[in-house]
Amino acid sequence: GQNIDQPTEMTATEGAIVQINCTYQTSGFNGLFWYQQHAGEAPTFLSYNVLDGLEEKGRFSSFLSRSKGYSYLLLKELQMKDSASYLCAVNRGSYIPTFGRGTSLIVHP
Amino acid sequence: DAGVIQSPRHEVTEMGQEVTLRCKPISGHDYLFWYRQTMMRGLELLIYFNNNVPIDDSGMPEDRFSAKMPNASFSTLKIQPSEPRDSAVYFCASRAATQGPSGELFFGEGSRLTVL
Repeated sequence: GQNIDQPTEMTATEGAIVQINCTYQTSGFNGLFWYQQHAGEAPTFLSYNVLDGLEEKGRFSSFLSRSKGYSYLLLKELQMKDSASYLCAVNRGSYIPTFGRGTSLIVHP
Repeated sequence: DAGVIQSPRHEVTEMGQEVTLRCKPISGHDYLFWYRQTMMRGLELLIYFNNNVPIDDSGMPEDRFSAKMPNASFSTLKIQPSEPRDSAVYFCASRAATQGPSGELFFGEGSRLTVL
């Protein structure tokens, strides 16, 4: 089995930087995803990491440490539209993602 | 591409009634997933299909739940009889095998089920 832990809620100020952490315990690790989900909408893909290190994509970056079972999503230059839930998902051995409960990010002016 | 299409978007029913949720995956995608999302438990995998064949249904909560995929373009999730604790948003998602392990899931808009 696997456990995936994320903070339930975070708040940040527009224009700032926020880091959302995810820790996991799993057998047969095959990569980690981050998805964004706005209220009442479907999750949408943000990033995928399978090797240790940082992947940067515009204002969003995702980091992975396989030895520590740890990942984070870094959001820079926060905008109001970044208010959403951020879901960490770990690929099991058969490439089937298991999701954490998500972190609700509130961005205020 | 039209994306993953789910219906109905909203359903309100009474305890004991049968509920059928429908999903049309993206054309050409080999994998289809049914997830359930609640505040308490987050997004849980119920069942997934590969090339229309159910591969893992260990997440289906009990015998009241069943899922079928009669062809590559259609799947159903049925709850019979429904109970108030089944109230949740049910998401269908699909993925192409050619994307490999890094392949993202494409989610439908979800079906919000309320059982009174």
